[in-house]
Amino acid sequence: EAQVTQNPRYLITVTGKKLTVTCSQNMNHEYMSWYRQDPGLGLRQIYYSMNVEVTDKGDVPEGYKVSRKEKRNFPLILESPSPNQTSLYFCASSFLTGLNSPLHFGNGTRLTVT
Amino acid sequence: GQQLNQSPQSMFIQEGEDVSMNCTSSSIFNTWLWYKQDPGEGPVLLIALYKAGELTSNGRLTAQFGITRKDSFLNISASIPSDVGIYFCAGQRAQKLVFGQGTRLTINP
Repeated sequence: EAQVTQNPRYLITVTGKKLTVTCSQNMNHEYMSWYRQDPGLGLRQIYYSMNVEVTDKGDVPEGYKVSRKEKRNFPLILESPSPNQTSLYFCASSFLTGLNSPLHFGNGTRLTVT
Repeated sequence: GQQLNQSPQSMFIQEGEDVSMNCTSSSIFNTWLWYKQDPGEGPVLLIALYKAGELTSNGRLTAQFGITRKDSFLNISASIPSDVGIYFCAGQRAQKLVFGQGTRLTINP
């Protein structure tokens, strides 16, 4: 089954403790992206990657890192989480074919930073 | 960062009623997308629009790509309980996707 898989689904952590949220897709997509969803703000892009070893900042990159060492994986790293990073996070992927390649989303990771 | 203006933010309707929501932007987009998010899940694509003026249907859903390329609307006819959820519009330009704030739809049986 074609899918985007995120882990974990739920995570509670404390301020300053480094964490990684994994994302994997099995559709051979070149493009992958991370979003955070907050009430009243919709989905905001954190980072994206057009291909292996190519990553770029989205609209809200502060406090986050990503890496793209392999095509299928795009982990999101919080080196020193803070309470304002409490949010619902989504990974998404698509082919890099311009117009006709909509994003496919994972099921989300709900992060709470205390 | 840029955002789309999506309205209404929430809707409370009776089962069987029609629903209409829209998105506007100050910028032009090449593609408009409508997603639905069920509780505990990621957004799922409902309809994709690729040409200005395009009107596309998917079952009871109809969406249009505005002629100015700066807006889009989504209509749901004869709503049913499983239509409950959050609907997001998104404008796409190259690989950049910008989302609206979402419309939360609640249906009273």
